[in-house]
Amino acid sequence: DGGITQSPKYLFRKEGQNVTLSCEQNLNHDAMYWYRQDPGQGLRLIYYSQIVNDFQKGDIAEGYSVSREKKESFPLTVTSAQKNPTAFYLCASSISHGTNTEAFFGQGTRLTVV
Amino acid sequence: GQSLEQPSEVTAVEGAIVQINCTYQTSGFYGLSWYQQHDGGAPTFLSYNALDGLEETGRFSSFLSRSDSYGYLLLQELQMKDSASYFCAVEGSNYQLIWGAGTKLIIKP
Repeated sequence: DGGITQSPKYLFRKEGQNVTLSCEQNLNHDAMYWYRQDPGQGLRLIYYSQIVNDFQKGDIAEGYSVSREKKESFPLTVTSAQKNPTAFYLCASSISHGTNTEAFFGQGTRLTVV
Repeated sequence: GQSLEQPSEVTAVEGAIVQINCTYQTSGFYGLSWYQQHDGGAPTFLSYNALDGLEETGRFSSFLSRSDSYGYLLLQELQMKDSASYFCAVEGSNYQLIWGAGTKLIIKP
C-alpha cells in the first residue's frame, strides 16, 4: 500500500540535544513538507522540498534543518537552537508543488523535550 | 499579513446539519481546501474549491465566494465519527498552503 510514514510516533529529548525525525513516502511524490502543530493551532510550515536535492525555508525554519537526498525521504532535524521544540510534527507529500495539490500526511511525531 | 479566520469550536446534534465558516486574507489566491483531523491523528483531505460555488461530495459540501474572501464547509446527517477538527487552508501566491487555526466540531447524541 502506498503511503507516507513517520517515525517514531513519540520522541523524548533532553534539552541541548539534536534529534532527527524520519519521513518516508512511496507515493512517488515530488513535493514534501514538514509542519509543526501546537495545541489548538493550525499547521505552520517549517521546510518544503519540490524536488530531490532542493528545499526551501517555510515560515518557522529557525532551529531546524532538512535534507532531500532521495525522492522518498525528507528527514527533519530539530537542533538545540530551536527554543521551544515540544510540538506535534507532521510530514506531508503531494504530487507537485502547485495548485489543487492534495497533501497526504503521515501520522505525526510527538516530540517532548525533557 | 496573511490570515484565515474560522470559529474555534462548533457544537451540533447527531443527524443535524452544521456549517463551518472560513474567511481569508491572503496575497494571492488559487484555491481553498478543507481538511479533517481527529485527535492525535493526521489531517486528511476533504475538498478543494478554486472557483465560486458549491462542491458536493457525499455528506460534505464546500462553498467558495472569491469576491467575499469567504468559504464554508457544510456537513449533513452528522455522525458521531464526524467529531474532529476541521481546517481551512488557502493556496496563496507562492503556492504554499496557509492554514486556519481549526474548528473543533463537537457532536452530541
